[in-house]
Amino acid sequence: GQNIDQPTEMTATEGAIVQINCTYQTSGFNGLFWYQQHAGEAPTFLSYNVLDGLEEKGRFSSFLSRSKGYSYLLLKELQMKDSASYLCAASDSNYQLIWGAGTKLIIKP
Amino acid sequence: GAVVSQHPSWVICKSGTSVKIECRSLDFQATTMFWYRQFPKQSLMLMATSNEGSKATYEQGVEKDKFLINHASLTLSTLTVTSAHPEDSSFYICSARDLDRGLADTEAFFGQGTRLTVV
Repeated sequence: GQNIDQPTEMTATEGAIVQINCTYQTSGFNGLFWYQQHAGEAPTFLSYNVLDGLEEKGRFSSFLSRSKGYSYLLLKELQMKDSASYLCAASDSNYQLIWGAGTKLIIKP
Repeated sequence: GAVVSQHPSWVICKSGTSVKIECRSLDFQATTMFWYRQFPKQSLMLMATSNEGSKATYEQGVEKDKFLINHASLTLSTLTVTSAHPEDSSFYICSARDLDRGLADTEAFFGQGTRLTVV
């Protein structure tokens, strides 16, 4: 079957760095997406990885290892507004997005 | 980036009535749109894939006679929750991909979501 695993909740301190991990098992693979979702709002796109390695976008970076079925989202210089759920989604052989349950990130001052 | 508009943002309806939710792609053509439901503290659950000009593809366990999907044009898909019951109360979200940019690396753009409360 197809499955995405990510931690349910993480806590970090303002100004620090946090890494949110995601492992996936899909029928075929056409890339890995990360989305941010604030409570009561729709998800917004953060990053896309299809090749192994690290993609950096400002304070956010995303890493992919296809051989390990593993990705992580790295958030630097955490701000209070980064408190949200972070969703990992893998694109399968039919380009359908398989969603993880999301990681709720709590930022403390 | 591309914009997907969903309306209404929230709706309260009486049990037994029907509610229609609209999803529009504003600056691109979306042959395919996706409808999700999200319960509190849970992930997005794909309900159905809406295909322009043809019948929607429903996920297992989703009643197609209860959740009617119409994708009449390349920019509009609608989801109608028929004979709504309190257990249908949820956050419904649509998304679309800009197919002119290809499939593989195209992120899904989401509508704002609709909070449905059935009383």
